[in-house]
Amino acid sequence: SSELTQDPAVSVALGQTVRITCQGDSLRNYYASWYQQKPGQVPVLVFFGKNKRPSGIPDRFSGSTSGTTTSLTITGAQAEDEAVYHCNSRDSSGDHVIFGGGTQLTVL
Amino acid sequence: QVQLVQSGAEVKKTGASVKVSCKASGYTFINYDINWVRQAPGQGLEWMGWMSPKSGDTGYAQRFQGRVAMTRNTSINTVYMELNSLRSEDTAVYYCARKRDPSGWWFDPWGQGTLVTVSS
Repeated sequence: SSELTQDPAVSVALGQTVRITCQGDSLRNYYASWYQQKPGQVPVLVFFGKNKRPSGIPDRFSGSTSGTTTSLTITGAQAEDEAVYHCNSRDSSGDHVIFGGGTQLTVL
Repeated sequence: QVQLVQSGAEVKKTGASVKVSCKASGYTFINYDINWVRQAPGQGLEWMGWMSPKSGDTGYAQRFQGRVAMTRNTSINTVYMELNSLRSEDTAVYYCARKRDPSGWWFDPWGQGTLVTVSS
């Protein structure tokens, strides 16, 4: 498959934990990365690879993969975490990059 | 710091071409591939392709094959993306983004984006 599927929208209460998922057959073979995009802003890498977080990204962001599903978990969501989260990875052939459709996270 | 600066917004007629530039600074230009990603209004991210500034090698998403060309000028640390035969559906913000490391497919940083508007 050459697709990554994300839920269009997810909500979380302030301070609670939320998991944002990304599903695709290629995730059995390739790690994913996650980008946070706030309105009118450029995507920012927040998690990638097996277990990596760029410097400056809070440690409340973590990632995991099981089978064909990869997840971004925010432990103790803050108001500033409200954004669209995009996953990406390789397609099944490994030749191309693919993105999920994005998940709008609302912090209540 | 590592930075990618793109050219300014463009307005084009249907059928025309657009060429967007992406100037890199703060790192050794030839050591990191540059990718292009676009985002139509209210939509998700769509990968278009990549180029190696070192070798000039490119790889394009299937849906853009034959319509896109990525080139570079190593003397000024700049990569270009040209999209031909523009249609209204090509209206989008176009981003260049650097591969964070040679072996991965994670992008960091991104350029500020270039809005391309296509109308008849």
